[in-house]
Amino acid sequence: GQNIDQPTEMTATEGAIVQINCTYQTSGFNGLFWYQQHAGEAPTFLSYNVLDGLEEKGRFSSFLSRSKGYSYLLLKELQMKDSASYLCAVRSPRPGGYNKLIFGAGTRLAVHP
Amino acid sequence: KAGVTQTPRYLIKTRGQQVTLSCSPISGHRSVSWYQQTPGQGLQFLFEYFSETQRNKGNFPGRFSGRQFSNSRSEMNVSTLELGDSALYLCASSFGGLADQPQHFGDGTRLSIL
Repeated sequence: GQNIDQPTEMTATEGAIVQINCTYQTSGFNGLFWYQQHAGEAPTFLSYNVLDGLEEKGRFSSFLSRSKGYSYLLLKELQMKDSASYLCAVRSPRPGGYNKLIFGAGTRLAVHP
Repeated sequence: KAGVTQTPRYLIKTRGQQVTLSCSPISGHRSVSWYQQTPGQGLQFLFEYFSETQRNKGNFPGRFSGRQFSNSRSEMNVSTLELGDSALYLCASSFGGLADQPQHFGDGTRLSIL
């Protein structure tokens, strides 16, 4: 079966660091994506991991361990505008599965002053 | 460049009716995927089209169908609407080739069934 787990909600303080975890059990793996979705808006792409290790992009970093079926998104120097849902998604492997993304339910992050 | 455009943004229908949603991908993108987003189920994959052919399909009933035109624009159709079809329908586009490119989402069509 296909299963992606993320915490439902998290809260953090402005300026702090928060780590959002994602564990997955899928029939095959061809990359993991993180998206940010503000209420009422489209999901926007944040990061992509296909090999083990850390990918850093400014205030956002994402880590992947394929052997553990585990990823996390790290947000540093939190700002109020980071309050949003964060979606973890695994891509099905080829062939024929180029763009079939399996999404977790998302983690709602609330950043407080 | 322009992003993914979905029309209409909001739609109200009644049970038993049918509906057609439209998606214009980012220029140059040939892959269009459709997702259903509900509070209870999250984002669920419906299908993907590439070069006018359905390349992937999720686990939705046959009432959900789609197509893609030669200019890569895509439409999704839902027939015999049910109350449970109320959701945000999101379209995402990408180049769709072998390179690992992320999908870019449109703002969605919010469908309400009365």
